[in-house]
Amino acid sequence: AQSVTQPDIHITVSEGASLELRCNYSYGATPYLFWYVQSPGQGLQLLLKYFSGDTLVQGIKGFEAEFKRSQSSFNLRKPSVHWSDAAEYFCAVGAHRDDKIIFGKGTRLHILP
Amino acid sequence: ETGVTQTPRHLVMGMTNKKSLKCEQHLGHNAMYWYKQSAKKPLELMFVYSLEERVENNSVPSRFSPECPNSSHLFLHLHTLQPEDSALYLCASSQDWQGSYNEQFFGPGTRLTVL
Repeated sequence: AQSVTQPDIHITVSEGASLELRCNYSYGATPYLFWYVQSPGQGLQLLLKYFSGDTLVQGIKGFEAEFKRSQSSFNLRKPSVHWSDAAEYFCAVGAHRDDKIIFGKGTRLHILP
Repeated sequence: ETGVTQTPRHLVMGMTNKKSLKCEQHLGHNAMYWYKQSAKKPLELMFVYSLEERVENNSVPSRFSPECPNSSHLFLHLHTLQPEDSALYLCASSQDWQGSYNEQFFGPGTRLTVL
């Protein structure tokens, strides 16, 4: 069965600084990987996804993520954060034949003015 | 309306009440999901429906009873809940429930408080 770990519960960065949120997964084959964002009081919104092909994936709101098979990682990056990026971010891993997507515990991003 | 909608957005109920949460998806998807999101816990998948048939039930207490009358609507009936059931309940849908169609679209959630 697949699993996903987000090692950072909270991350604080200054507005305009770069961002990297970590995600590590465990799965025996090439997984499906997702990053979702959740603003306070809202549901989850898909930022980007990786199924196959190019390991650098571009998403909405200026985010990107890179799939690194050797490190079992799918870290989310943004070159310059905005105050509106303050939210909780969830990494998720899915399997090819399984209906379940497994979500990480989330990383809450705080932005300093 | 577009996407996935949930009503009500907020609900306060006593432990002896009976209430229902409603979810509706306007995406033409075949699968629908209920999740529970509590503070400091990962998202917990509760139920999965595919083409109105329940395909997953993750050991959820019987005080939660799902209903899927058609592929666009999903209900969660609540009765004799406990204070620890207070959480954000999220509904999601996807094109299919297996394989590459697993991308899920979420509603805004119902914030449930059990007194």
